[in-house]
Amino acid sequence: QSALTQPASVSGSPGQAITISCTGSSNDIGYYNHVSWFQQYPNRAPKLLIFDVRDRPSGISNRFSGSKSGNTASLTISGLQPEDEAHYYCSSFTHIGTLVFGGGTKLTV
Amino acid sequence: QVQVVESGGGVVQPGGSLRLSCVTSGFPFSDYGMHWVRQAPGKGLEWLTVIWNDGSNINYAVSVKGRFAISRDNSRSTVSLQMNSLTVDDTALYYCVRDKGAGSFSPRHWGQGTLVSVSS
Repeated sequence: QSALTQPASVSGSPGQAITISCTGSSNDIGYYNHVSWFQQYPNRAPKLLIFDVRDRPSGISNRFSGSKSGNTASLTISGLQPEDEAHYYCSSFTHIGTLVFGGGTKLTV
Repeated sequence: QVQVVESGGGVVQPGGSLRLSCVTSGFPFSDYGMHWVRQAPGKGLEWLTVIWNDGSNINYAVSVKGRFAISRDNSRSTVSLQMNSLTVDDTALYYCVRDKGAGSFSPRHWGQGTLVSVSS
């Protein structure tokens, strides 16, 4: 199962909005709504930001939002803040009953 | 408060075996699926395996199927990962992760990881 495709890096200025894409196939993102997004700071464990395409766990800011169109999922961060600078990973359930991650995107604020 | 704590990492020679353990607390363990995810130094996340809340369903990534085995003990709120035939490519930080639900494939609560180094 190939990794999902994410841009290696994105950047934005404080207060702006940015979107990170995550492209898969009809065997994962395109068919299932089990898409998640994670935030990871250096030397820290990842944190779940979004699950099931667009739902947020309790305690996650509504500045983080998720969506999906066809085989591509997206994470949008609005009102960018310096503390949003981190790595972001997407994941999806697959047709063979596994989970696959994207390669990760480094966000620079 | 959900707590997930991994242990068992260390240095092992190629071809060797290692057993990782994960102790949890703060939630009804038998209600949740559990994952193992790893991250090689400077690399991204790689999902390895999941075991559903009651152990009825287990899935593995192709890269570890046949070499790794996940198990759980609901009476002790623990999950283990038996790793055999290790290669240098298995060197990574191994995370134990509680799912959002019984087996929803949404890794929710992550431990801090245990480091496995495969080297001669």
